[in-house]
Amino acid sequence: VQLQQSGAELVKPGASVKLSCKASGYTFTEYTIHWVKQRSGQGLEWIGWFYPGSGSIKYNEKFKDKATLTADKSSSTVYMELSRLTSEDSAVYFCARHGRPYDYDKAWFAYWGQGTLVTVSA
Amino acid sequence: DIQMTQSSSYLSVSLGGRVTITCKASDHINNWLAWYQQKPGNAPRLLISGATSLETGVPSRFSGSGSGKDYTLSITSLQTEDVATYYCQQYWSTPYTFGGGTKLEIK
Repeated sequence: VQLQQSGAELVKPGASVKLSCKASGYTFTEYTIHWVKQRSGQGLEWIGWFYPGSGSIKYNEKFKDKATLTADKSSSTVYMELSRLTSEDSAVYFCARHGRPYDYDKAWFAYWGQGTLVTVSA
Repeated sequence: DIQMTQSSSYLSVSLGGRVTITCKASDHINNWLAWYQQKPGNAPRLLISGATSLETGVPSRFSGSGSGKDYTLSITSLQTEDVATYYCQQYWSTPYTFGGGTKLEIK
């Protein structure tokens, strides 16, 4: 199992950015993919999940106006678009896979991408 | 939202020693708890799920225990490669939440 994330981004305040997470080594449609935010030197925040099998999505209320999750089944890739960026959005963003298939709920994260650093600066 | 509190943000332990990292949930989470290890510049690594189930490949010196609101991660015979920050995560209910982390160093 591998989750390969896109490269670091430097974006201007107010802009948007779209991050990708390409999955391999398992059946893409069987597991939810989650996104987690980590600001420098700080803890981890769960953003939401996307289930490629059905296209279902769930967001942390805190991020529902910030993040948009989509996917492309043909390339086994999940995307997260972050909008109206501010300095508070500067962080490393990880994608991670649920530990159990066919399950929307009760998610622990057995596999992680390497992370994408997003820096918001003029 | 369920708040996860790791009371020690920093621990210093002797090589070969034993350490216990605690995590307290603001509500009962019925053992839906995971522990992760994170080293600088790396993604978190899953150590334990279901409060006590050791992930394949994780050394047996790691163990998890607890119930209700209170959980612990124990490491015996501390090795230099165990220097890292450890996080708990509840997955009883969304939004899934993590503890603030406990940074472990060798004394």
